[in-house]
Amino acid sequence: KAGVTQTPRYLIKTRGQQVTLSCSPISGHRSVSWYQQTPGQGLQFLFEYFSETQRNKGNFPGRFSGRQFSNSRSEMNVSTLELGDSALYLCASSLGGASDTDTQYFGPGTRLTVL
Amino acid sequence: GDSVTQMEGPVTLSEEAFLTINCTYTATGYPSLFWYVQYPGEGLQLLLKATKADDKGSNKGFEATYRKETTSFHLEKGSVQVSDSAVYFCALGSGGSYIPTFGRGTSLIVHP
Repeated sequence: KAGVTQTPRYLIKTRGQQVTLSCSPISGHRSVSWYQQTPGQGLQFLFEYFSETQRNKGNFPGRFSGRQFSNSRSEMNVSTLELGDSALYLCASSLGGASDTDTQYFGPGTRLTVL
Repeated sequence: GDSVTQMEGPVTLSEEAFLTINCTYTATGYPSLFWYVQYPGEGLQLLLKATKADDKGSNKGFEATYRKETTSFHLEKGSVQVSDSAVYFCALGSGGSYIPTFGRGTSLIVHP
């Protein structure tokens, strides 16, 4: 069974630009979550999509948005990039059940560098 | 709300040393507890889990026991290898949430 894939693996952008990251979940998984990982803040939850609807949202500004398609693939978009957006962005997929019984499977991440 | 506290890293050990990474949690109800590992350049992957008090999760020589009385889930390994160098995340999951709560992660560096 193929794992979670994320594209691209690396991105370099300049301040003010926008970026779109893509995540393909494990086949059969209906939930996709996005996380931002930085050395200073650790792993921070951005949002979660289930069956094309945003079901949970973290505490990030509106510049961060996402969507999920009918095949469960998901994209996240960051507009008006800031230097502080430089991070590893991780996508995780799961069946979509409660977190005490479900397991999240992570992709390798997209490394975004903002210059 | 739910929270997970891990010991600060990095933890630096010599090969074959004993490893303990402390994890304590705060939660209502009866959460499940997880350890995830992130190897360099990769995403997180589930290492082990325990779903109720006194359960022991184990995998690849790592173990952790769900201690309800001390609200802890410490990760242990009897003899670490250089290949165990990674970041380890403790996490909890509850029936009332679709998103697990992660700790900040503890970096482990093992020297030959």
